[in-house]
Parts: sequence; C-alpha cells; structure tokens
Amino acid sequence: QVRLVESGGTLVKPGGSLRLSCTASGFTFSDYYMSWIRQAPGKGLEWISHIPTSGNSIYYADSVKGRFTISRDNAKNSLTLQMSSLRAEDTAVYYCARERDCGHDCFYPYWYYDLWGRGTLVTVSS
Amino acid sequence: SSDLTQDPAVSVALGQTVRITCQGDSLRNYYASWYRQKPGQAPVLVMYGKYIRPSGIPDRFSGSSSRNTASLTITGAQADDEGDYYCHSRDTTENHVVFGGGTKVTVL
Repeated sequence: QVRLVESGGTLVKPGGSLRLSCTASGFTFSDYYMSWIRQAPGKGLEWISHIPTSGNSIYYADSVKGRFTISRDNAKNSLTLQMSSLRAEDTAVYYCARERDCGHDCFYPYWYYDLWGRGTLVTVSS
Repeated sequence: SSDLTQDPAVSVALGQTVRITCQGDSLRNYYASWYRQKPGQAPVLVMYGKYIRPSGIPDRFSGSSSRNTASLTITGAQADDEGDYYCHSRDTTENHVVFGGGTKVTVL
C-alpha cells in the first residue's frame, strides 16, 4: 500500500524542540523529492521545506529557516523534520508529501504533490 | 515573486459551472497544480501540468491558463466538489514552493 505516515506531533512549550517523522511505504522512497507542508488552524497550506533524493540542495521557507532542519534516511524510508525555538505561530498540522515534476526537457515546468500523509498536529503553547 | 493569489470564496449552484483562478508571476512560465481539501482531511491532487487529471478525478474538472493566471473549472458542479481548493507551483527561482491562499467552494 502506497502511503506516508507522519508521527511525533504533540504539545510543546514555546522555545522548545520537537522531531517529526514521516515513514513511507509501498514505493521507492529514494526516487522522490519530499516536502513538509503545514496548515495552521483555519488557515491555508504553507510549504516548509523540501529535500531532493540525495539530501543536498535543501530549501526552507523564510518563516522556519534557521530553526527547522529537514533530513531523510533512504535506507529507512524515512523523512524527518527537526524543529527548534518553537513559537506559537508554528502551531499547525504538519504534512509530509511526495513531490513529482514533469521530468527533463519540459518546455513549461510543473511540480505536484501526488501523495500526502494524514498529518500530525503540533501545538506550541505554555 | 513568490505569491500566488486566489479569491477567498466562490459559490455555485448545483449542476452549474464555476471557475477558480490563481494569479502569480511564476505562472507565466510554469503550470500550476491544484488540490482539493475537505475538512479534517489531507489535500488531494485534482489537476497538474498541462491540465492532467489524476486517476479518479472526474472529467468535469478542467484546467486552463493565460499569462500569469491559472484556472480550474468545474463544469456541472456536484455536492462532493465542495471544499477548499489550493493552487501550487514554485517561485521564479524554482527553489521555493508556493501555494495560493485557497478558495472555498460552496455548492448551493
């Protein structure tokens, strides 16, 4: 069964740290870019970070740069988000998602997320 | 530029047609992807690339684009089409992912 399962979300105090995990199954994890995307309560989707297949050329949203670290373990089919210096505004459901693109030699590039986990809730509150 | 702009909400009568738009500089050079999200659920891909529907998405969904605007059209809207619709692409550097703010679609 092709799926992504997030875990690790919980209640944490401001300034605290938390580690989220995403376990992939049913597909060759190492073949795909992966992203973390979050959604604050009642708000829209916000991209956090993505990591290519080999783990280099990582990018972060400005809102989390310097505080969050994305990593992957292709041998364990696992994606991780290490979060530190957490703030109330980091409260959200965190999704991991599989990213695909149009491949090589696209005249007009495109990217899309074809597989999402169900999300894990992170609450930052004292 | 990194912003994708969507109208916050739109309503459509059952069986009628509704178009959802997404504007952004990056859309001059990239196709958008579209997702529908129902309350309490993860987003689901409904359109990507040059107006490609994933398996299971009905053909009443179609896509188009012009200049800096991508559009998702639902022809003959059904009650099950209700939800929040998000567009997605990358910014003009291609390094950062961007989402539109979402459009809430209500079927009356």
